Amino acid sequence: SQQGEEDPQALSIQEGENATMNCSYKTSINNLQWYRQNSGRGLVHLILIRSNEREKHSGRLRVTLDTSKKSSSLLITASRAADTASYFCATDLDNNDMRFGAGTRLTVKP
Amino acid sequence: ETGVTQSPTHLIKTRGQQVTLRCSSQSGHNTVSWYQQALGQGPQFIFQYYREEENGRGNFPPRFSGLQFPNYSSELNVNALELDDSALYLCASSFGIRAGYTFGSGTRLTVV
Repeated sequence: SQQGEEDPQALSIQEGENATMNCSYKTSINNLQWYRQNSGRGLVHLILIRSNEREKHSGRLRVTLDTSKKSSSLLITASRAADTASYFCATDLDNNDMRFGAGTRLTVKP
Repeated sequence: ETGVTQSPTHLIKTRGQQVTLRCSSQSGHNTVSWYQQALGQGPQFIFQYYREEENGRGNFPPRFSGLQFPNYSSELNVNALELDDSALYLCASSFGIRAGYTFGSGTRLTVV
């Protein structure tokens, strides 16, 4: 079964706009990670945020974590056509099981 | 520094057969995790190997088994293949069990 659930399932925006994706999870976590996947290929690690952190930045990416609400968000600023991909959150559970959600499919139109 | 390499990239097998998928972890990484990803779904955790021992397992039957070798490369074996085993199988390596993962490009398995 999947732990994280991304919202929305699909998102379509224009190039230059910001994209926000949300992730909710059910149990306590050690850390939460965001990954990108292009067209059924391997996943690319974007950001890891630990359970005692609230916000993290990497280039155009901003991730927030609210452990009281068991939720996280990924913001991509000034989106580009190359950002078109599926984005997954993954939660690191105590039994070394890193659970992925079903993903958000982002389409950035040029 | 090489990334994670998986072989083969594509494979077609008949129901009931056995298959072995291979993964070479990124240099310096001692942990390998395997995932199954059905079309349109997120990756599902199969198991993890840390220093050659199984270090966690998801909800997969015993016919899914694995190995990790002293050089930290790994194999995923699936016996008695079923049609529902058709999926993209992803291998990910990391340094330690709580670090970010580096994924391979996957093996696309089709069971007919």
